[in-house]
Amino acid sequence: LAKTTQPISMDSYEGQEVNITCSHNNIATNDYITWYQQFPSQGPRFIIQGYKTKVTNEVASLFIPADRKSSTLSLPRVSLSDTAVYYCLASSNTGKLIFGQGTTLQVKP
Amino acid sequence: KAGVTQTPRYLIKTRGQQVTLSCSPISGHRSVSWYQQTPGQGLQFLFEYFSETQRNKGNFPGRFSGRQFSNSRSEMNVSTLELGDSALYLCASSLSATEDYEQYFGPGTRLTVT
Repeated sequence: LAKTTQPISMDSYEGQEVNITCSHNNIATNDYITWYQQFPSQGPRFIIQGYKTKVTNEVASLFIPADRKSSTLSLPRVSLSDTAVYYCLASSNTGKLIFGQGTTLQVKP
Repeated sequence: KAGVTQTPRYLIKTRGQQVTLSCSPISGHRSVSWYQQTPGQGLQFLFEYFSETQRNKGNFPGRFSGRQFSNSRSEMNVSTLELGDSALYLCASSLSATEDYEQYFGPGTRLTVT
């Protein structure tokens, strides 16, 4: 049974780089891994998506090893406004979409 | 471009009743997915519709159903409501039903069952 696992919470300070890892076994071989950010009282917001190796956009980087059993979201130089819950999303090999339980990131001044 | 809209934003129902939630996707988006979010279970996938057809379904009982119209708008229905159905119901749209799940979420409908 496919499952995604993330740390429940993380603390960081402004200006630091934050890496959040999601473990996902039995995911579909041809589907993307996606990360979302969610603030209170809002729906999740797309951050980044990748299939393998490394993807970078203006807000984050995503590292996915060749075996695709995990992925790491990297947020460079976080600010207080990055305090939110971060979710990874993968598709199981039976086609079901599975969110991780979310990582609450607290950025301190 | 307008985002995903969901109506109503808040809803209070009693056990045994049924409820219908509505989602209007971003213009041009043909895929609509529904999720349930609770503090205990997190985000759970309900189902996905593409071009009026249910493409994928999560592990929810048959009391949860949905449909999609020709204009891509979608509705979700929950019959015989239970207390445990209290949750935030999120709708997300994407351009197409591919493995590229760049979904855009609406603000959600907060359902409270008493």
